[in-house]
Amino acid sequence: DSGVTQTPKHLITATGQRVTLRCSPRSGDLSVYWYQQSLDQGLQFLIHYYNGEERAKGNILERFSAQQFPDLHSELNLSSLELGDSALYFCASSGGGSNQPQHFGDGTRLSIL
Amino acid sequence: AQSVAQPEDQVNVAEGNPLTVKCTYSVSGNPYLFWYVQYPNRGLQFLLKYITGDNLVKGSYGFEAEFNKSQTSFHLKKPSALVSDSALYFCAVRDTPGGSYIPTFGRGTSLIVHP
Repeated sequence: DSGVTQTPKHLITATGQRVTLRCSPRSGDLSVYWYQQSLDQGLQFLIHYYNGEERAKGNILERFSAQQFPDLHSELNLSSLELGDSALYFCASSGGGSNQPQHFGDGTRLSIL
Repeated sequence: AQSVAQPEDQVNVAEGNPLTVKCTYSVSGNPYLFWYVQYPNRGLQFLLKYITGDNLVKGSYGFEAEFNKSQTSFHLKKPSALVSDSALYFCAVRDTPGGSYIPTFGRGTSLIVHP
């Protein structure tokens, strides 16, 4: 058990809709990262938050947004969903220092119909 | 810029035989290197890391990795493979000092251990 909790585990919705994915980081970890995993694109970094502040953006679409709350949990909001957004979305957390590994949740599987 | 390559999409090995999953990297400074494993329907799990010091790093589940600076490689190894080792393996790198705080992941190597 990584200590990172993601909800929901599965999400099925239609094109054009909006969804929110939730992540609770490992106790004590201030950094939260969001990734998208698909068969053709591999593991793509989306965004990084540290103690409530956005620190880095990766290949995140403008239709996607995220935030980290004072209790350190994070939400990833996906809007105007397209078929191509179907993927596994992972949250990871880490402690301080770039030599620390990331701890991943078990992901949210998003299916767009 | 930092980058990592896993040259094999898939590695097949018989149970009981040694296994190697390859990883090469490119950084401007010194690398922090990580290996992760992903089982079906699960998130990535941290296996081991190289930060500095001994080139041979030991990790979870009997895995080890050897850092080779001259060949810019960090291959994952295990002396005797188990069927339960079958999974997707990811190598990741961070460039230091001053590199991206965000690690760059390889595309993953599928390890299949045959009984």
